[in-house]
Amino acid sequence: GAGVSQSPRYKVAKRGQDVALRCDPISGHVSLFWYQQALGQGPEFLTYFQNEAQLDKSGLPSDRFFAERPEGSVSTLKIQRTQQEDSAVYLCASSFGNGVWNEQFFGPGTRLTVL
Amino acid sequence: GDSVTQMEGPVTLSEEAFLTINCTYTATGYPSLFWYVQYPGEGLQLLLKATKADDKGSNKGFEATYRKETTSFHLEKGSVQVSDSAVYFCALSGNNQGGKLIFGQGTELSVKP
Repeated sequence: GAGVSQSPRYKVAKRGQDVALRCDPISGHVSLFWYQQALGQGPEFLTYFQNEAQLDKSGLPSDRFFAERPEGSVSTLKIQRTQQEDSAVYLCASSFGNGVWNEQFFGPGTRLTVL
Repeated sequence: GDSVTQMEGPVTLSEEAFLTINCTYTATGYPSLFWYVQYPGEGLQLLLKATKADDKGSNKGFEATYRKETTSFHLEKGSVQVSDSAVYFCALSGNNQGGKLIFGQGTELSVKP
C-alpha cells in the first residue's frame, strides 16, 4: 500500500511569502506528526494530531506556523511571512494508534528554501 | 527537558568491521527508545526499539540495549556492509506525550568496500 506522501517535495519561497505544505498519511492512521529538520540536525517535533484534534502544538516555533487536519486525514502545515531561518526539511509521520507503542511512518519530506 | 545525545559523525568503516554508535539520553520517567535510519534519498525508517529497561531491540543484525543505569542505548552491529551506509538517529518518546519523538542530531555512517 501507499506510504506517507508529502507535497511539494521542494519549495522555494521569497522571504515574506506564505507557504502551505501538504501531508497525506497512510489511510486509517489516527495519529499525525509534523517535524522540522534543519541541515545536519535531527528532526524536531512541531505538532501532533489525533484524528482532527491538535493535541500538542508545543513545538511550533512561532505564531507564523499553523497546522490543521480538518477531516482527520490530510494535514496542511502553513507558514506565514516566511523567514530565512524557516529553511529546513519538514517531515510528516503517521501512526495507526497513539502513544509510543505505535510505529511512526515517515514521509519523504518537503525541503523548504527561503531566499 | 528531555534530550538525546549521539556521537558525532561521520563514521567511516571498512566492510565487515564492528560498529558502535553511542547514544545517551536525559528524560524523566521511563521513556521508550528508538533507532531510526535514513538511507540516501529515502525517508526515515524505524530500525529497532526498546520500551523498558534491559530490553534489547534488534533488526537486520543491529542491536541496542536499553541501559537505565547509564541512560544509554548504543547501537551495535558485528559486521557492517556497504549497504548499511546511512544516517542513524537515536530517539526517545516519553510517557503520556502522545508518541512524539525527540531525536539526536544523527550520525552518518559510511562503509567502504
